[in-house]
Amino acid sequence: GAGVSQSPRYKVAKRGQDVALRCDPISGHVSLFWYQQALGQGPEFLTYFQNEAQLDKSGLPSDRFFAERPEGSVSTLKIQRTQQEDSAVYLCASSLGRAGYEQYFGPGTRLTVT
Amino acid sequence: SQQGEEDPQALSIQEGENATMNCSYKTSINNLQWYRQNSGRGLVHLILIRSNEREKHSGRLRVTLDTSKKSSSLLITASRAADTASYFCATRRQGAQKLVFGQGTRLTINP
Repeated sequence: GAGVSQSPRYKVAKRGQDVALRCDPISGHVSLFWYQQALGQGPEFLTYFQNEAQLDKSGLPSDRFFAERPEGSVSTLKIQRTQQEDSAVYLCASSLGRAGYEQYFGPGTRLTVT
Repeated sequence: SQQGEEDPQALSIQEGENATMNCSYKTSINNLQWYRQNSGRGLVHLILIRSNEREKHSGRLRVTLDTSKKSSSLLITASRAADTASYFCATRRQGAQKLVFGQGTRLTINP
């Protein structure tokens, strides 16, 4: 079946622009996660949804970052007034249940802020 | 900040040899997972080991977990060129849903 998909795959934004990154999880997966991966580093957690509820947003680096999953399926990560330090790969993952299940990752969106 | 430390940061071996990567972490965990990431691609789940397990196998992969030392190792036997990738360990703490990743080991298999 289809895996996690993300769009766009690549995004170039000028500093100060707003961007929106989309994630389509695997159908039926309850949990959805966003991670940020800087070059040469491991992914770092941003936020977590269980269905439409955002249960953990402790990893969002600033109030410029906002995520939503209004119908418990597709999720959007929005970054307002982008800065150069926001340049990274943004990974989305989904999981079947709440605990003990592996997370399936999408290919990521590479964001470059110029 | 990342919890895991992986060792070595980079590893280069000849095809057919075994590759061992180590991961250490700091807090009590529910499970530990290993992922592979090819250049410019997403993460692929390899294996999950629970905190009450000590060893797990999947094909050419062998994972061990020592909770007393807060460490894990991933062994890839009979390596192939296609195994060239970055390998990450990730831990899930008790009561938490998020994964905390290490910085990864870049593995290169030379033909």
